[in-house]
Amino acid sequence: GQNIDQPTEMTATEGAIVQINCTYQTSGFNGLFWYQQHAGEAPTFLSYNVLDGLEEKGRFSSFLSRSKGYSYLLLKELQMKDSASYLCAVLDSNYQLIWGAGTKLIIKP
Amino acid sequence: IAGITQAPTSQILAAGRRMTLRCTQDMRHNAMYWYRQDLGLGLRLIHYSNTAGTTGKGEVPDGYSVSRANTDDFPLTLASAVPSQTSVYFCASSSSGSNEQFFGPGTRLTVL
Repeated sequence: GQNIDQPTEMTATEGAIVQINCTYQTSGFNGLFWYQQHAGEAPTFLSYNVLDGLEEKGRFSSFLSRSKGYSYLLLKELQMKDSASYLCAVLDSNYQLIWGAGTKLIIKP
Repeated sequence: IAGITQAPTSQILAAGRRMTLRCTQDMRHNAMYWYRQDLGLGLRLIHYSNTAGTTGKGEVPDGYSVSRANTDDFPLTLASAVPSQTSVYFCASSSSGSNEQFFGPGTRLTVL
């Protein structure tokens, strides 16, 4: 079966750095996405990785290792507005997105 | 209209009733999707459409139907609602050549 695993909840302090991990087992791989979802709102795109390595975009970076079936999202200089759920999703061999359950990130002052 | 809109925002429905959730996009995206999101679970694909006139089944299609008469609209119909269909429903779209999906604001549906 297809499976995306990520921690259910994480807590971090304002101004700090947090890393959210995602491991996957899917039928085929055509890229990995990270989305942000604030409570009661729609998911919004953060990053897309298809090749191994680190992609940096401002305070957010995303890393991919295809051989390990592993990705992480790194958030730096945390702000209160970063409190949200972070969703990991893999594009499988049929080009359908398989979604993890999401990681709820709580930022404390 | 800018992006994707969904209607209604929320709805309480009696079991056994028929209900259509509406989704409209103005980005001229070819592909459209319907997901449901339940607490503790990832987004699950119900149906999708790669282009106007075609539709396909996702992971959890039973009890739902869709149509794609034109590029902009992708309604989702529950023929006879059941309580297990209580969920938040998101419509999304993507353009050909890009795998990034853009989401509508969602419809919160409660079936009693």
